[in-house]
Amino acid sequence: AQSVTQLGSHVSVSEGALVLLRCNYSSSVPPYLFWYVQYPNQGLQLLLKYTSAATLVKGINGFEAEFKKSETSFHLTKPSAHMSDAAEYFCAVSHTGRRALTFGSGTRLQVQP
Amino acid sequence: DGGITQSPKYLFRKEGQNVTLSCEQNLNHDAMYWYRQDPGQGLRLIYYSQIVNDFQKGDIAEGYSVSREKKESFPLTVTSAQKNPTAFYLCASSGETGELFFGEGSRLTVL
Repeated sequence: AQSVTQLGSHVSVSEGALVLLRCNYSSSVPPYLFWYVQYPNQGLQLLLKYTSAATLVKGINGFEAEFKKSETSFHLTKPSAHMSDAAEYFCAVSHTGRRALTFGSGTRLQVQP
Repeated sequence: DGGITQSPKYLFRKEGQNVTLSCEQNLNHDAMYWYRQDPGQGLRLIYYSQIVNDFQKGDIAEGYSVSREKKESFPLTVTSAQKNPTAFYLCASSGETGELFFGEGSRLTVL
């Protein structure tokens, strides 16, 4: 079964600092991978997705992620954190044979002024 | 605007009662999903439907039921058999591109 592991349930950075949120996947076949963001008491919004085209994927709000097959990773980065980036971030992988996604447990990002 | 509408946003239930959460989409998507979110556990799949009049159990279907009589609608019933129903419930849909589009969620609290 496919799964994702997000390392670090909480990450705190200073405004203007690099954001790095980690995601590792397990999959027996090339996966589709996604990053979503959730603000309090809201649904999830897609940040970016990897579908086996370019390994470096650019998303909304200045975020990007790099697919590294050798490391089975899909870490999310942003060069300079903004206060509005404070939210919970979820990595997800698609299931072979069904279209539902499997989500990681999430990482809450805090941005300190 | 196209999107997914969930209602109600907040719902309170007494133990032993069934409740139904509504999910409607106007994105013309074939597939629809229900997820449950608990703190620190991410999202867990309850049920999904890839076409009208068909649906499959997800990872935590016990105590829940669904129907898919129309393409636009995928209601979720939380039955009295669900032992820990207090949670945030999210409905989603997807089309050919594969990503899920989510509603704003429904927060159910059992009193």
